[in-house]
Amino acid sequence: AQSVSQHNHHVILSEAASLELGCNYSYGGTVNLFWYVQYPGQHLQLLLKYFSGDPLVKGIKGFEAEFIKSKFSFNLRKPSVQWSDTAEYFCAVRAGEGGGADGLTFGKGTHLIIQP
Amino acid sequence: NAGVTQTPKFQVLKTGQSMTLQCAQDMNHEYMSWYRQDPGMGLRLIHYSVGAGITDQGEVPNGYNVSRSTTEDFPLRLLSAAPSQTSVYFCASKKGGLVNQPQHFGDGTRLSIL
Repeated sequence: AQSVSQHNHHVILSEAASLELGCNYSYGGTVNLFWYVQYPGQHLQLLLKYFSGDPLVKGIKGFEAEFIKSKFSFNLRKPSVQWSDTAEYFCAVRAGEGGGADGLTFGKGTHLIIQP
Repeated sequence: NAGVTQTPKFQVLKTGQSMTLQCAQDMNHEYMSWYRQDPGMGLRLIHYSVGAGITDQGEVPNGYNVSRSTTEDFPLRLLSAAPSQTSVYFCASKKGGLVNQPQHFGDGTRLSIL
């Protein structure tokens, strides 16, 4: 079974700082990769996804992520964070081509706090 | 579009009580799933369904039952609530048959077991 590891449980940054949240997965085959965000009091929202093609994917709100297959990584980045980026961020993986267990496997989440 | 609708939003139960968390989607999605979200644990898959009449267990299925009699509804049942089931529960759905489809999540149900 696949697993997802997010390296940092809590990250505190100042506004305008650059952000990189690490995500590694363990699965040797084809994967679909996702980053979800959960703002305080709200439900999960999809930030970006990778299925195939260009390994650098751009999402909403200035976020991007790079899939590095050799490192089994899918790190989330943003060049300049804002106070409104304070939220919990989840990396998720779906193994295979969509058959069988279709549920996502999530990392434990990273709680990002942006200080004004 | 309502998307994925979960009810109730909040619920408090006593140990041993039973209840059903409702989930409905109006997008004609084949796949539906239930997750629980616990501090420090992230999201964990409880049960999922690839279509009406078909369900399967996820990572943490014990203590929960599901059924999928229609495409739209995927209720989650707690037969005898335990304090360990205190959590936030998310229902999700996605369109089946195509690989490149993300999941849509409901707003969550916050459940407390006393």
